[in-house]
Amino acid sequence: EAQVTQNPRYLITVTGKKLTVTCSQNMNHEYMSWYRQDPGLGLRQIYYSMNVEVTDKGDVPEGYKVSRKEKRNFPLILESPSPNQTSLYFCASSVRDRFTGELFFGEGSRLTVL
Amino acid sequence: GNSVTQMEGPVTLSEEAFLTINCTYTATGYPSLFWYVQYPGEGLQLLLKATKADDKGSNKGFEATYRKETTSFHLEKGSVQVSDSAVYFCAYMDSSYKLIFGSGTRLLVRP
Repeated sequence: EAQVTQNPRYLITVTGKKLTVTCSQNMNHEYMSWYRQDPGLGLRQIYYSMNVEVTDKGDVPEGYKVSRKEKRNFPLILESPSPNQTSLYFCASSVRDRFTGELFFGEGSRLTVL
Repeated sequence: GNSVTQMEGPVTLSEEAFLTINCTYTATGYPSLFWYVQYPGEGLQLLLKATKADDKGSNKGFEATYRKETTSFHLEKGSVQVSDSAVYFCAYMDSSYKLIFGSGTRLLVRP
C-alpha cells in the first residue's frame, strides 16, 4: 500500500530535550516536505527536499533541522524543543517526479512541548 | 504578498444542503489551484485541482472553477453528506514550486 508513515504519532516532551520525528515514504517520490498545522494559520512549510542530499528552508524553519540521506526518509529534528513548537506536524511527498502541487500526506504527529 | 484567503468556519449544514466554501488568492501569474480535505484524525488528501483559467476541477461530487478575473476558486457541492464533515483547505502552487495553503474551513454536516 502506498503511504507516508510518520512516527511517533503523539509525543509529549519537555523543553530542551532533543527529538526526531521520522518520515518514510514507499512511493519512490523525489520531493518531500514538512509542514506544521496550527489553529487559524493553516499549514506552514518548515523544510522541503527536492531530492537526496538537497534540502531547503520553507517559511518557518527556525528551530528545526532535516536531512535527506535516502530517497525514502526525511526526518525532522528538533534539537532543543520549545513550547512554541507545540503543533501538529505533517510529512508529505510528491506523487510525481517533478513537483506539481499534488502532495501525499502522512497521518500527522502531534507534539506537545512542556 | 502571496496568500490564500478562505471563509472562516465552522460551516454547519444539514444533510443534502448545498455547499459553497469561498477561496480567493493573491499571486502573480496563473498558479495551479487545489482543494485538499482533512478528515478527523487523518492527514490531508488532494480533493481536486485546476491548472489554468476556466478549468473546472471535480471529484466526489465537489467542484471548483478557476476564475482568473476574480482570482477565486470556490468549492461547491450540490448535496452534502454527513461523511463530508472535514476541514477543507484551498491552496495554490507558487512560482518556486511551493504550496501555499489557506487557514482551512471546517465543515460540519448534521443528519
